[in-house]
Amino acid sequence: AQSVTQPDIHITVSEGASLELRCNYSYGATPYLFWYVQSPGQGLQLLLKYFSGDTLVQGIKGFEAEFKRSQSSFNLRKPSVHWSDAAEYFCAVGGGATNKLIFGTGTLLAVQP
Amino acid sequence: SAVISQKPSRDICQRGTSLTIQCQVDSQVTMMFWYRQQPGQSLTLIATANQGSEATYESGFVIDKFPISRPNLTFSTLTVSNMSPEDSSIYLCSVTGTGGSDTQYFGPGTRLTVL
Repeated sequence: AQSVTQPDIHITVSEGASLELRCNYSYGATPYLFWYVQSPGQGLQLLLKYFSGDTLVQGIKGFEAEFKRSQSSFNLRKPSVHWSDAAEYFCAVGGGATNKLIFGTGTLLAVQP
Repeated sequence: SAVISQKPSRDICQRGTSLTIQCQVDSQVTMMFWYRQQPGQSLTLIATANQGSEATYESGFVIDKFPISRPNLTFSTLTVSNMSPEDSSIYLCSVTGTGGSDTQYFGPGTRLTVL
């Protein structure tokens, strides 16, 4: 079955510290992978995506993610977190003719001053 | 990416009534989707809105409860019918581009509270 697992429900980091949000997926075909961010009361904003090619992808707001096929992972990283990064982050997998996306349960990021 | 708007942005409704949510895109798009995000939960796909044909519903969602229209390539509506408090959620539409892009872009969402 196709699924996405985000093991960390809630993470707190200090401003300026590095960040890694974990995402593992189960998908029968070559996956398309996405990270979205949702600020309070807002819709979802696309941070980055991986379709093929270079396994390290750069996104907006200084985020990057690395696709590791052997580990079925697509972890999101940022070297230095800003207070404005506090939000909920969703990993999603999809692709194919239907374009359906399967979302993980999300990781809520809090940033301490 | 396309600019997507939704109306209303939020509403408070009485049980047993219906609400129609609109999704408008500033350019023609291939595919439109409707998602539900229950409080504190992730997103669940309700249906794919197909232009010129009936929507394709996911398991657990039925047309009588969530009728969808898509009259053209820039507009869709989702109706939440005969509402109950369990329907209190954020409803989001998303789109992919006419170029066959596999990337979905989301609208700002409609926050629905049912009393």
